[in-house]
Amino acid sequence: KQEVTQIPAALSVPEGENLVLNCSFTDSAIYNLQWFRQDPGKGLTSLLLIQSSQREQTSGRLNASLDKSSGRSTLYIAASQPGDSATYLCAVLTGAGSYQLTFGKGTKLSVIP
Amino acid sequence: SAVISQKPSRDICQRGTSLTIQCQVDSQVTMMFWYRQQPGQSLTLIATANQGSEATYESGFVIDKFPISRPNLTFSTLTVSNMSPEDSSIYLCSASNTEAFFGQGTRLTVV
Repeated sequence: KQEVTQIPAALSVPEGENLVLNCSFTDSAIYNLQWFRQDPGKGLTSLLLIQSSQREQTSGRLNASLDKSSGRSTLYIAASQPGDSATYLCAVLTGAGSYQLTFGKGTKLSVIP
Repeated sequence: SAVISQKPSRDICQRGTSLTIQCQVDSQVTMMFWYRQQPGQSLTLIATANQGSEATYESGFVIDKFPISRPNLTFSTLTVSNMSPEDSSIYLCSASNTEAFFGQGTRLTVV
């Protein structure tokens, strides 16, 4: 059974700082990995999708990497802003034919002005 | 990408009643899913909504409590039946071909 772990559970940084969020998964046989953002009481916004054959994806100030063999992904946020404050969720797609996402518990990020 | 409209966005319901949540996708998608997110927790998959057939439920979730419809490739509904305060959660619809997209969620409070 796939398990996804995110560390740290919470992170508080001053505005402008660069930061890294970590995600690990136990079964390396994944189809892809997605990073999401969730604001309080809201749905999930897809940030980056990395296919299993890819090593990284970039979107603006965000860069996500994937090391499938070691079961790890990182989300790098450059020059953090207060508007980046949210919970960041990592999810992996596994399961032949079932297309089920397994989520981590998330990292709650607070960027202090 | 896909845009998902989910409604209602929130509701307060009396125990013993039922609520139907609607999910509309702006394009045809292969897979649609329903999740529950209890306060402070991550997402738990309730079921996969199958077009034209019965949904596939995860362990701990049953059709009598959470009936699901998916009449076509862009629309699905989830009903939360005979509600109790323990059903108070955020319910999320998701659609996926390979990348997954989510609606804005339905915040349900049962009193």
